[in-house]
Amino acid sequence: AQSVSQHNHHVILSEAASLELGCNYSYGGTVNLFWYVQYPGQHLQLLLKYFSGDPLVKGIKGFEAEFIKSKFSFNLRKPSVQWSDTAEYFCAVNGKAAVNKLTFGGGTRVLVKP
Amino acid sequence: DVKVTQSSRYLVKRTGEKVFLECVQDMDHENMFWYRQDPGLGLRLIYFSYDVKMKEKGDIPEGYSVSREKKERFSLILESASTNQTSMYLCASSLSGIRGSGANVLTFGAGSRLTVL
Repeated sequence: AQSVSQHNHHVILSEAASLELGCNYSYGGTVNLFWYVQYPGQHLQLLLKYFSGDPLVKGIKGFEAEFIKSKFSFNLRKPSVQWSDTAEYFCAVNGKAAVNKLTFGGGTRVLVKP
Repeated sequence: DVKVTQSSRYLVKRTGEKVFLECVQDMDHENMFWYRQDPGLGLRLIYFSYDVKMKEKGDIPEGYSVSREKKERFSLILESASTNQTSMYLCASSLSGIRGSGANVLTFGAGSRLTVL
């Protein structure tokens, strides 16, 4: 069965600090990878996705993620965070052979202090 | 603007009651999903549907059932609510894989927070 592990449950940092959120997955085949974000009081929304090609993908609001196949990882980064990046971030994966079964990690709550 | 609408934002029910959570999407999406979201556990898939009247179990279907009589509507049913079903329930939809790269990308509703006493 596929699974997703996010290493940090809570992250607190100051504005302008760099952010990196870890995500590792377990799956035996080819995967699609996602980061979703939930801002306070808002719907979950897609931040970025990786289907194939360049393993470094860029998303909205200056976020990027790197797929490292050998490490089964898809870490999220942002060089300089803003207070508005305060949110909960979820990594998700599905196998290309089972596209409807999207498995989410436990989420990371990020608090950016102004 | 595309939307997934969940009919109830907050519900309080008693143990043993039957609970209906309704979800409607206006994007002509084939796939619809029900997840529950719990702190530290992320989102866990309860059921999904890839077509009208079709359904498949997700990872935690026990205690739940679903109904999809129309393409735009996907209902989650708790036949006899229990306290361990207190949670945030999220509905989502997506295109089918046949219709291209929009598949796999989920559009979520605002969620329905259910408390079972």
